[in-house]
Amino acid sequence: NAGVTQTPKFRVLKTGQSMTLLCAQDMNHEYMYWYRQDPGMGLRLIHYSVGEGTTAKGEVPDGYNVSRLKKQNFLLGLESAAPSQTSVYFCASSYGGQGLNTEAFFGQGTRLTVV
Amino acid sequence: DQQVKQNSPSLSVQEGRISILNCDYTNSMFDYFLWYKKYPAEGPTFLISISSIKDKNEDGRFTVFLNKSAKHLSLHIVPSQPGDSAVYFCAANSPLLSGTGKLIFGQGTTLQVKP
Repeated sequence: NAGVTQTPKFRVLKTGQSMTLLCAQDMNHEYMYWYRQDPGMGLRLIHYSVGEGTTAKGEVPDGYNVSRLKKQNFLLGLESAAPSQTSVYFCASSYGGQGLNTEAFFGQGTRLTVV
Repeated sequence: DQQVKQNSPSLSVQEGRISILNCDYTNSMFDYFLWYKKYPAEGPTFLISISSIKDKNEDGRFTVFLNKSAKHLSLHIVPSQPGDSAVYFCAANSPLLSGTGKLIFGQGTTLQVKP
């Protein structure tokens, strides 16, 4: 039982390049999330999904796109990377949307540097 | 607008003593609160939670207290151990966010427990 797995763990991009971060969960969770962590800012929600085929914007969605074609996978795309997107990205999943069901399980993170 | 605030970026305590981590919130609609622990190069892991219908929840060495009138919660670790050294995030959920599972995170507090 792997939980939440993120690929890759590290990446360096040049400004303007594109990439996709992959997230896979094996807990049959309905809800999935992408967060970014920046110093002094905590964890900020980029996009989320409440089920297969659905996506929605979080707090800081600009410059990112997502897709949830399969229940177990949630992809985060950067179409044209900018230095402001240098961050640590975390994928998470949860069983439901209320109370203890919101306990989110996190992946190990992807450290992205845009130069 | 930071709805969940952890005003102390860092805390240092001696092994065996009590660690108290604080969290304030501004949205009175929050009804569920969670604490996460994060080691370097790992994703956050769930530690303990509390519903707004309670004022205390205990799990081993960890106790969370909720003061709704003050919009304040705290995490007590007794006794503190060097392995508790990590970043601690508090997070909140509200009925308005139910159905999305979205959690609002604080900025985090880095706890150092000295042997």
